[in-house]
This record gives sequence, C-alpha cells and structure tokens, in this order.
Amino acid sequence: GAGVSQSPSNKVTEKGKDVELRCDPISGHTALYWYRQSLGQGLEFLIYFQGNSAPDKSGLPSDRFSAERTGGSVSTLTIQRTQQEDSAVYLCASSLARIRLADNTGELFFGEGSRLTVL
Amino acid sequence: GNSVTQMEGPVTLSEEAFLTINCTYTATGYPSLFWYVQYPGEGLQLLLKATKADDKGSNKGFEATYRKETTSFHLEKGSVQVSDSAVYFCALITGTASKLTFGTGTRLQVTL
Repeated sequence: GAGVSQSPSNKVTEKGKDVELRCDPISGHTALYWYRQSLGQGLEFLIYFQGNSAPDKSGLPSDRFSAERTGGSVSTLTIQRTQQEDSAVYLCASSLARIRLADNTGELFFGEGSRLTVL
Repeated sequence: GNSVTQMEGPVTLSEEAFLTINCTYTATGYPSLFWYVQYPGEGLQLLLKATKADDKGSNKGFEATYRKETTSFHLEKGSVQVSDSAVYFCALITGTASKLTFGTGTRLQVTL
C-alpha cells in the first residue's frame, strides 16, 4: 500500500533477547520518526531521521536502543537485551520534509505500530 | 520544556451527544497545536490544527480553538457518531524543534 508499513505487528520476546523493528515510510518522505507508546503514557519521542542521518536522537532511553535508516527509506529500531519496561507499542511516522513551526506543518503519517511484549 | 495534558478517558457518550475533550499545554515559545486521531486498527492521522492564537481548526465536524490566555486547545463536536469512536491525541510543536510533543490520548466510545 501507499502508507507507512511496520513489521512485525506483534512481537513477544524473552527478557534479555534482542529485537528489531522495521519501518517502511511513504515513498519520497525524507523525514522519519520513531515514537513509543506505553500504557498510560503519551507518545514518547525516540529519534528523528532526515534522510539517513539522525539529527535528534535525544529520546532514546538508553544505549540498548539504536536505530538506523538506509537509502533514505527503510528504518530499523533495535533494542538489545530487552527488559520488561521496554514493553510498548513502537510507532513509526514519516513526513515529506522535517516538520517545523516555521512551515506551519506538523502532519505526520503514522504506521499501525509494532506491539512489543517482553516476558 | 514542552508538555501536553489531556483529560483522562475513556469518555463514553451516546450518539448525537456533545463532545468536549480537554487539552492544555505548556510550551517554551509560541506553539502550533494539533489534534490527531487513531481509529481502531489504524495509524494516527491528523484531524485538525491551529497555528496562532484565536485560530479555529476544524475537520469532520470537529473543532478546536487556540486559546493562548488559557493555554488550551479543547476538541469539540456538536453531535458524535458511533464512527467517531477512537483515541484522540493533542499535540504541539514549537520553535526550531523538528518533532511533535503529544499528550497521553483520550479514548472516546460512542454507543447507540
């Protein structure tokens, strides 16, 4: 389809295992965002890509979290040595260009998310 | 820092009832404000936005007015439908930030 695609949609893993979450943004969208949604929490910003570089990775909660983007398209979020507190829905979003106040933009296109459960 | 506070849900209404979902914010600078909606089984999508004080954003019968004096952006609809059942997120962006700050979301359930 033409929307943002995320995989897997559901992932159950054991504590201590590594997981990879994938995001396919809308074709031509240069900006890509990862957010995390935990129970009772808002959408927590993790990292932002412009092209293949990440100007803002301030939301990554620890060094167990990393992300990359290749070819200005697909992005992978990797969580190493997963912990129970990592259980959440991980959302990916893309936009045509980086959103910013000056342009009065702000429309992000979201995928349906990857639900991660760490046992 | 920036933050968004939304009323806790779930909000349960009968069809054709009036809806208000409260949203207040704290921001450094002068933000633009947004409402996003997440229907069951779908990704979040932009519902409406307002970029300056007293602006009213509207879409699909929903409205929200940017109130700088009360730092609020409450979402309203005069007559809800069952198809409006979803989770609603208030959000903002400020300054040179390249990311949206979201609230916790408010679940709306509309019954016949």
